[in-house]
Amino acid sequence: DSGVTQTPKHLITATGQRVTLRCSPRSGDLSVYWYQQSLDQGLQFLIQYYNGEERAKGNILERFSAQQFPDLHSELNLSSLELGDSALYFCASSRRELTNEKLFFGSGTQLSVL
Amino acid sequence: AQSVAQPEDQVNVAEGNPLTVKCTYSVSGNPYLFWYVQYPNRGLQFLLKYITGDNLVKGSYGFEAEFNKSQTSFHLKKPSALVSDSALYFCAVSPNTDKLIFGTGTRLQVFP
Repeated sequence: DSGVTQTPKHLITATGQRVTLRCSPRSGDLSVYWYQQSLDQGLQFLIQYYNGEERAKGNILERFSAQQFPDLHSELNLSSLELGDSALYFCASSRRELTNEKLFFGSGTQLSVL
Repeated sequence: AQSVAQPEDQVNVAEGNPLTVKCTYSVSGNPYLFWYVQYPNRGLQFLLKYITGDNLVKGSYGFEAEFNKSQTSFHLKKPSALVSDSALYFCAVSPNTDKLIFGTGTRLQVFP
């Protein structure tokens, strides 16, 4: 068990809808990363938060947004969903903001857009 | 452009034989290098990390990785494969403290 908790584990929704994925980092970790894993794109970095502030942005669509709350949990909001958004979404955490640190991954949220 | 390449989509090896999963990178400077493993229906787990020093890095579950600066490679190795090693392996490179780049992954299949 990595100590990173993601909910829900599975999410099935329809095109055009909006969903929220939740992540609780390991105790004491201040940095949260979001990744999207799909068969054709591999593991894509979406966004990183550190201690409540956005630190780095990757290939995140404008329809997607995220935030990190004062208790350090994070939410990834996906709106106007399309079939191509179906993927496994991972959250990872680390102690500090530096990307050369070891990351701890959650088990992911499998999103299916029908 | 900075990148990480895992040239093999899949590696097949018999149990008990040595295994190698290849990784090459294209970044400037002295990057940090990582290997992660993903078992079915699980998140990625850290295996090992190279910062500086000895070119052979030892990690979890008997894995090790060899850093070769001249060939810009960081191949993952294990002397004797187990069926339970079957999983998806990701190489990752951090060229600085602001970016982490993952490879596309290599599926390792160990046959009994």
